Amino acid sequence: GQSLEQPSEVTAVEGAIVQINCTYQTSGFYGLSWYQQHDGGAPTFLSYNALDGLEETGRFSSFLSRSDSYGYLLLQELQMKDSASYFCAVSSGGYQKVTFGTGTKLQVIP
Amino acid sequence: GAGVSQTPSNKVTEKGKYVELRCDPISGHTALYWYRQSLGQGPEFLIYFQGTGAADDSGLPNDRFFAVRPEGSVSTLKIQRTERGDSAVYLCASSFEAVVGYTFGSGTRLTVV
Repeated sequence: GQSLEQPSEVTAVEGAIVQINCTYQTSGFYGLSWYQQHDGGAPTFLSYNALDGLEETGRFSSFLSRSDSYGYLLLQELQMKDSASYFCAVSSGGYQKVTFGTGTKLQVIP
Repeated sequence: GAGVSQTPSNKVTEKGKYVELRCDPISGHTALYWYRQSLGQGPEFLIYFQGTGAADDSGLPNDRFFAVRPEGSVSTLKIQRTERGDSAVYLCASSFEAVVGYTFGSGTRLTVV
């Protein structure tokens, strides 16, 4: 089966940088995705890493190390609207089935 | 449509009743997924459709749960003899083929009383 670990809560100051880590165990690994979910809202896809290294999309970057079964999401220039839950998710198996972690609740404070 | 549409947005039902939850995916998306999310948890996989067929139903908790997608577009998740433990938000997502980057609907919040 698959298992993912990420911190349950993180608090950071507006304008700062925050890193949300994710470690995983799975067989047939294809890649690691990140999703954002505001309270009461739908999960929204942020990024996907299939290869080792850093992927940058605006203020958000995502990193993957396949050998360490580890990844992180980096959020820069934090804004109040970034307060949300962030889920890492592994794609594995024949059709790249996506399994989600339990999520990290990010609170951005002034 | 422009996004994934799920109806109803909220459903309250009595224990033991039957419910149907509907998902209308993005037009042209061949892959459709159902997930279930309990409070404070990540989405939990239920079933995956590629076209009309259920390619993976390994996440359905038991035989009270069933899903169909008869024409390869709209899908219905059916729950028989509902139990209080079935209360959760049921999320539907779609994607083109099975590529990463799902688009989720806003979900149906099911409450069994």
